[in-house]
Amino acid sequence: GQSLEQPSEVTAVEGAIVQINCTYQTSGFYGLSWYQQHDGGAPTFLSYNALDGLEETGRFSSFLSRSDSYGYLLLQELQMKDSASYFCAVRPGGYNKLIFGAGTRLAVHP
Amino acid sequence: GAVVSQHPSRVICKSGTSVKIECRSLDFQATTMFWYRQFPKQSLMLMATSNEGSKATYEQGVEKDKFLINHASLTLSTLTVTSAHPEDSSFYICSAVWASGIVNEQFFGPGTRLTVL
Repeated sequence: GQSLEQPSEVTAVEGAIVQINCTYQTSGFYGLSWYQQHDGGAPTFLSYNALDGLEETGRFSSFLSRSDSYGYLLLQELQMKDSASYFCAVRPGGYNKLIFGAGTRLAVHP
Repeated sequence: GAVVSQHPSRVICKSGTSVKIECRSLDFQATTMFWYRQFPKQSLMLMATSNEGSKATYEQGVEKDKFLINHASLTLSTLTVTSAHPEDSSFYICSAVWASGIVNEQFFGPGTRLTVL
């Protein structure tokens, strides 16, 4: 089977740093993606890791350890607009299909 | 670039009727599109992979005859919910893969909220 686990909710204050973890068990693995979704909106792509290590894109960074089947999304200098759901997603095969985790709802407070 | 649209954004229909949802890639061609459904505060559940010019590939547990998918061109895929029932009420989202973009980056449409009375 395929499963991805991530925390259901995270709360933080403006300006803080938050890390959202994701562990996965899939029949195959080609990469780990992260998406952001605001309530009622479409998911938007944040990052993709195919190899071990850290990928940095502005305030957001994503990390992958293939040997541990683990990755995380790091959000720095949190802003109110970062309040949203964050999904990790695994590409299990050599095609573009994605399997999504249950999502982590991030609430940023003043 | 890489914009995906969906139409309609909201639809309310009576039980037993069929509803068609369109997904278009506006500024790129997509040989592959995906259809998801999402219940409130839950994850995106992949329903099927839509391939241009060929039959869709459905995920386990998704009824092919109930959720008809047609990918007639490189910019358009349609999902038809046939004989809709209240339990089909959900948020349906499509995505398209941009072949020239980042590997595995799917561009999502804004979604269609279906309510079946």
